[in-house]
Amino acid sequence: EVQLVQSGAEVKKPGESLKISCKGSGYSFNSFWIGWVRQMPGKGLEWMGIIYPGDSDTRYSPSFQGQVTISADKSISTAYLQWSSLKASDTAMYYCTRQQLAPDYWGQGTLVTVSS
Amino acid sequence: DIVMTQTPLSSPVTLGQPASISCRSSQSLVHSDGNTYLNWLQQRPGQPPRLLIYKISNRFSGVPDRFSGSGAGTDFTLKISRVEAEDVGVYYCMQTTQFPHAFGPGTKVDIK
Repeated sequence: EVQLVQSGAEVKKPGESLKISCKGSGYSFNSFWIGWVRQMPGKGLEWMGIIYPGDSDTRYSPSFQGQVTISADKSISTAYLQWSSLKASDTAMYYCTRQQLAPDYWGQGTLVTVSS
Repeated sequence: DIVMTQTPLSSPVTLGQPASISCRSSQSLVHSDGNTYLNWLQQRPGQPPRLLIYKISNRFSGVPDRFSGSGAGTDFTLKISRVEAEDVGVYYCMQTTQFPHAFGPGTKVDIK
């Protein structure tokens, strides 16, 4: 069974760093892209970027380029999304997705709250 | 970058009646490999999104056949033949033809 399990909810202060994770199982992790999607409170889905764990090829939305870093450790079938300096506007639910032709499997989401 | 739009943004429907959502892309979604990577996702309240349809008209595993997709080029449609209570939620089109991938703004479907 394909599963993407994300790390738990986080509460951070502005300026702090954060790295959240997404662990894949039940399939060949190296052979499918892993994407990240933001959903701000009460809003729609925003595509942030994607990584191919097999060769670490990474693409970003221009809206998120330079704001976050996407990475993956194929030895433990885990992808990451990280921030070096959080802002209050980063408060959102973040989803990882497995993607080949389309985002077919989704993680349960990680809620990130940034508040002073 | 490709921009996705959807109409309507809100759709109150009667149980058992059909519903239809339109999606338009700012550029053709035909990939150089000949495929069109236009997808539809459903997000029920409080849940992660779920893939319904990929490559315009292919239902993902477990998706009821009351959901169907059609279209070509830049214009696409999702149809629900007979709306059920469990269909309440927000529906998004999404293109995965070209980076950066992009979602439409979403269409909220609820019951009248």
